[in-house]
Amino acid sequence: AQRVTQPEKLLSVFKGAPVELKCNYSYSGSPELFWYVQYSRQRLQLLLRHISRESIKGFTADLNKGETSFHLKKPFAQEEDSAMYYCALRQGGKLIFGQGTELSVKP
Amino acid sequence: DGGITQSPKYLFRKEGQNVTLSCEQNLNHDAMYWYRQDPGQGLRLIYYSQIVNDFQKGDIAEGYSVSREKKESFPLTVTSAQKNPTAFYLCASSPTSGRYNEQFFGPGTRLTVL
Repeated sequence: AQRVTQPEKLLSVFKGAPVELKCNYSYSGSPELFWYVQYSRQRLQLLLRHISRESIKGFTADLNKGETSFHLKKPFAQEEDSAMYYCALRQGGKLIFGQGTELSVKP
Repeated sequence: DGGITQSPKYLFRKEGQNVTLSCEQNLNHDAMYWYRQDPGQGLRLIYYSQIVNDFQKGDIAEGYSVSREKKESFPLTVTSAQKNPTAFYLCASSPTSGRYNEQFFGPGTRLTVL
């Protein structure tokens, strides 16, 4: 079955430290993966997608098919990065979401 | 913000009552979705619709029903058969053609069963 796993419920780092939010997936085919973010009192929104290989707000994510991973990384975390992050896998016309990781960046 | 609206923001229901959550979009998207968000469980798909007058069950459809009579609207009814309806409900929409079929989300409705 197709599945997305985010092993960390909560990740706490200090401002300026590197951050990596883990995402592993299981999918029989060529995956299309996304990271969504939900800031406090805001809507869930797309952060980035692997197909466009972009960097948004300093975040990058590389698809590693060998390890079936799509980890989200940022070299220097900022307090405004504190939010809930969801990894998602497209399956046909729908998305399968991971359980989410809450990132807390402390001053 | 705008584009997708959900109402009401908060909803309280007594056990045994059906309630309907509204979702409207003016983005001209063909596809619409309903998710349930619970702490520690992420977003789980309830129902989705890729075209008017057609919809499919998601992973947790039991106890819910939907209709798609208009492109702009995709209401969700939480029936008394839903065992644990207290949750945060998110509606989303997306195009079905093009390279990037990004889903856009509404602000959500928090349903509490008393």
